[in-house]
Amino acid sequence: NAGVTQTPKFQVLKTGQSMTLQCAQDMNHEYMSWYRQDPGMGLRLIHYSVGAGITDQGEVPNGYNVSRSTTEDFPLRLLSAAPSQTSVYFCASSYSSFGELFFGEGSRLTVL
Amino acid sequence: AQSVTQLGSHVSVSEGALVLLRCNYSSSVPPYLFWYVQYPNQGLQLLLKYTTGATLVKGINGFEAEFKKSETSFHLTKPSAHMSDAAEYFCAVSPLPVGANSKLTFGKGITLSVRP
Repeated sequence: NAGVTQTPKFQVLKTGQSMTLQCAQDMNHEYMSWYRQDPGMGLRLIHYSVGAGITDQGEVPNGYNVSRSTTEDFPLRLLSAAPSQTSVYFCASSYSSFGELFFGEGSRLTVL
Repeated sequence: AQSVTQLGSHVSVSEGALVLLRCNYSSSVPPYLFWYVQYPNQGLQLLLKYTTGATLVKGINGFEAEFKKSETSFHLTKPSAHMSDAAEYFCAVSPLPVGANSKLTFGKGITLSVRP
């Protein structure tokens, strides 16, 4: 099992550009989520999904879109990148909303 | 509402010394409590968790934590530090009875350094 796979690992964008961070898991987990990690602030939840076709907002959803068309994939879209979105992004999944979270290795995004 | 406080951002210990990483929480309902560890250039992984029952919880790699309701604390300890313990440690809280991952609140993290 690969677990939770995130791509790309590093990305540099210019303000206003769009991009998609990919997240895939091969554990047949129903629950998937995206966090951002900023220095001195811990992890903050952006969006989450409890199953295919179902998504909801977390603590810091503004500027991000998600969709969940399959159980395996949960992409995070930045429609118009801003410098404030410079961060490390983590995707995490769990067999349920109550189970242990398994994290990907992270995607480091820099917006100039 | 809930919150997690991890005082300080960096702890340095000598190899073989006691590791103590502090975590205090606030929660309006009984909490689930977690410690996660993040090794360099990796994602977070669960170290241990408290849900109900025994208040002393043992985790991986020799770590343990004790839930003290009266002190609203969940401090992480390890009797003897190893070089491989150098990492960032996050305390997290989630409310019972929901206990949902979407309600998980992380502390800001503490970096542990281990000196030879």
